[in-house]
Amino acid sequence: EVQLVESGGGLVQPGGSLRLSCAASGFTFTRYAMGWVRQAPGKGLEWVSSVSSGSVSTDYADSVKGRFSISRDNSENTLSLQMSSLRDEDTAVYYCAKATDNSGKNYFDSWGQGTLVIVSS
Amino acid sequence: DIQMTQSPSSVSASVGDRVTITCRASQGIDSWLAWYQQKPGGAPKLLIYAASSLQSGVPSRFSGSGSGTDFTLIISSLQPEDFASYYCQQAYTFPRTFGPGTKVEI
Repeated sequence: EVQLVESGGGLVQPGGSLRLSCAASGFTFTRYAMGWVRQAPGKGLEWVSSVSSGSVSTDYADSVKGRFSISRDNSENTLSLQMSSLRDEDTAVYYCAKATDNSGKNYFDSWGQGTLVIVSS
Repeated sequence: DIQMTQSPSSVSASVGDRVTITCRASQGIDSWLAWYQQKPGGAPKLLIYAASSLQSGVPSRFSGSGSGTDFTLIISSLQPEDFASYYCQQAYTFPRTFGPGTKVEI
């Protein structure tokens, strides 16, 4: 059974930094692209970033480009999102998600329970 | 960026009803479209991928169709557990984009 467990969320001041992690199990982590999707309170889903299986390709939403960095450790089956220069509008539940494959066109077929990030002074 | 729109934004329905949700892409995406279901307080769940392929374990009352710019999700006979929000998402290119969602209410 695929399991994705996020951690690292919390309260951070505007301009601050936070690192989210996602522990993956139940599948061959090295075969699949992974991503982060967020949801602001009461709002819809927003794709944040994706990384290919071997970290060759990374992509970001314009709203986070230059501030967020996605990475993965295939030896530890872990996905990370380093967030810096945080803004109020980054407040959201952040979901870790597994892609259906490692192609450039894929979907998210497994999701974690999410971790809440609150950016506020 | 490819913009995704959905209609309606919300729909009131009863158990047993047929519900249709539409999604439109601002440019052609072939069949690179997914539908997700999200219940309050829960994570999204993949229902349909490649516009019309049913994800494993998803009931057959869910179906998807369309290609190019116009897509449809149909719930043929609404069940109590189907009251949720539904989102379309294009997988044609980055940045990935979601529709604003459709809330299916009682």
